[in-house]
Amino acid sequence: QTVVTQEPSLTVSPGGTVTLTCAPSTGVVTSRYYVDWFQQEPGQAPRALIYNTNKKHSWTPARFSGSLLGGKAALTLSGVQPEDEAEYYCLLSSGGAGVFGGGTKLTVL
Amino acid sequence: QVQLVQSGAEVRKPGASVKVSCKASGFIFTDYYLHWVRQAPGQGLEWMAWINPNTGDSRCAHQFQDRVTMTWDTSIGTAYVELNSLTSDDTAVYYCTRDDIYTHTWEFDQWGQGTLVTVSS
Repeated sequence: QTVVTQEPSLTVSPGGTVTLTCAPSTGVVTSRYYVDWFQQEPGQAPRALIYNTNKKHSWTPARFSGSLLGGKAALTLSGVQPEDEAEYYCLLSSGGAGVFGGGTKLTVL
Repeated sequence: QVQLVQSGAEVRKPGASVKVSCKASGFIFTDYYLHWVRQAPGQGLEWMAWINPNTGDSRCAHQFQDRVTMTWDTSIGTAYVELNSLTSDDTAVYYCTRDDIYTHTWEFDQWGQGTLVTVSS
């Protein structure tokens, strides 16, 4: 059973830049994975931000971007806003099955 | 308006089963896979399974393979997930979400509001 690891928590100043990463226990994230990123606020359903590694939904703010970085999937927020404080989850899927990362609690301070 | 609307909260005793529904509206039901994701209190998201309402093909995460049954009714655009042999570890909010059947890239662009299932004696 693959385990997907994310940073448990990160803190960033308003206007700053932060990168969240996502890595499978099986090794590196390759093109055989679909990578998605979700934002979740307390008491709410998750909201999709990024799919297929780097594609944005129509509602995804321009300051969010997805990429592969050093064998990991990455979500970068540039010009962080106070409303970006939330929990962020990655999802790695391959071969018809998927695994979520444990989530990163992003604090904007 | 694209929506996934789920059934209401449920309380079950250990060993029982629960069935949660997810009604689709505003889009063609058979154009999407339906996935189920759960979240235990204070915990992260856990992918459970998907079903293709066109073919009946499905796939479950390994930890659910013996306990999950997925069904659907195309005539009313509704998918169901049933989980049996419940334990307290199954206490969670259960979400349905969708994935384009033509690309199947797990984009999960629309989510249900969630259904709280509480397992308690």
